[in-house]
Amino acid sequence: GAGVSQSPSNKVTEKGKDVELRCDPISGHTALYWYRQRLGQGLEFLIYFQGNSAPDKSGLPSDRFSAERTGESVSTLTIQRTQQEDSAVYLCASSPLWQGINQPQHFGDGTRLSIL
Amino acid sequence: AQKVTQAQTEISVVEKEDVTLDCVYETRDTTYYLFWYKQPPSGELVFLIRRNSFDEQNEISGRYSWNFQKSTSSFNFTITASQVVDSAVYFCALSDLSGGYQKVTFGTGTKLQVIP
Repeated sequence: GAGVSQSPSNKVTEKGKDVELRCDPISGHTALYWYRQRLGQGLEFLIYFQGNSAPDKSGLPSDRFSAERTGESVSTLTIQRTQQEDSAVYLCASSPLWQGINQPQHFGDGTRLSIL
Repeated sequence: AQKVTQAQTEISVVEKEDVTLDCVYETRDTTYYLFWYKQPPSGELVFLIRRNSFDEQNEISGRYSWNFQKSTSSFNFTITASQVVDSAVYFCALSDLSGGYQKVTFGTGTKLQVIP
């Protein structure tokens, strides 16, 4: 498909386990964002990648959270030693860059993470 | 610093009524971009509009219209003759120089319920 693809769509895991979430952006989109959305809440910025530049990690809530992206391809968000408060929908978005300005973001369907 | 405030948490209207969703933003920059996104019950966020700070002309798209007023730092969204399909959570967002026009800050969203 042509949209942002996230996997898995749902993940249930036990507290203390590590999880890895994947995002496949739209081809050609240099910018990639991760957000967290708790039930009934707004979008909480986690991390932003722009091409090969150093990522903006200012939104990561703790050192248990990390993300990687190679070039302009797939990104993975890893949560170590999961806690119940990590339960949320994790949204990925990508956008192209035009004249130095990021264009509107295209969102994936999200990964719904449930920590037991 | 960027900040977006959507004071209305939830709004309910009867079908065919007009409804306005409020958005107030804070930025120290003179050049910035404002966005509205729609998140229907299915979950995927959909881009609705982007406006740059130099263009204060109001915009109308079908039943949707946006009123941008720099004097009050507001970017309000009006739906005319609402329909049940308009039921969704609507997010206002901002990007400015402090975020390199890359990082986007979202408001907490307004949940709109249109009752048939």
